[in-house]
Amino acid sequence: AQSVAQPEDQVNVAEGNPLTVKCTYSVSGNPYLFWYVQYPNRGLQFLLKYITGDNLVKGSYGFEAEFNKSQTSFHLKKPSALVSDSALYFCAVRDLLRRRSGGFKTIFGAGTRLFVKA
Amino acid sequence: ETGVTQSPTHLIKTRGQQVTLRCSSQSGHNTVSWYQQALGQGPQFIFQYYREEENGRGNFPPRFSGLQFPNYSSELNVNALELDDSALYLCASSSGQKPYEQYFGPGTRLTVT
Repeated sequence: AQSVAQPEDQVNVAEGNPLTVKCTYSVSGNPYLFWYVQYPNRGLQFLLKYITGDNLVKGSYGFEAEFNKSQTSFHLKKPSALVSDSALYFCAVRDLLRRRSGGFKTIFGAGTRLFVKA
Repeated sequence: ETGVTQSPTHLIKTRGQQVTLRCSSQSGHNTVSWYQQALGQGPQFIFQYYREEENGRGNFPPRFSGLQFPNYSSELNVNALELDDSALYLCASSSGQKPYEQYFGPGTRLTVT
């Protein structure tokens, strides 16, 4: 079964410093990996995805993620954190629904809360 | 914004009651998935509808049921509400061309008292 793990419940970083939010995955076959962000009382906002191609994926709001097949990791990064980046971040993997349409469901990690201090 | 809308935004129900949540998918998307996000947890897959039929189901009891309409909008129905059903309910739509890309709505916050 597909799964993702986010080993840190919380990450604290000072504004202007680089940030990393960790994610490891376990999949059979090629992984479809995603990062989402959730602000208080809001739905999920898509940040970026890895399907195939370059291991460094660039996404919204200056975020990027590095796919590492040997370490089965997909860490989210940003060179310079902003206070407004403070939110809940979810790593996710697509899992195939083996029904007539071959649709996908999303399996989410438990989330990592990012605090950026001014 | 994703173009996926949900209603209502917030809802308070009493244990044992029934509730219906609604979702309008993004234009051109024929697949809708529903997720439950309990406080402090990641979203959990409830089920998916494709062209008005259930296309897969997560580990939720039968009192969680759904519908998809010809315009691809969807409903999530929960009967015999329990306190643990209190959560944010998210719907996500996707298309046949890119089924792995799901666009999420803002969610409905359900509180069961």
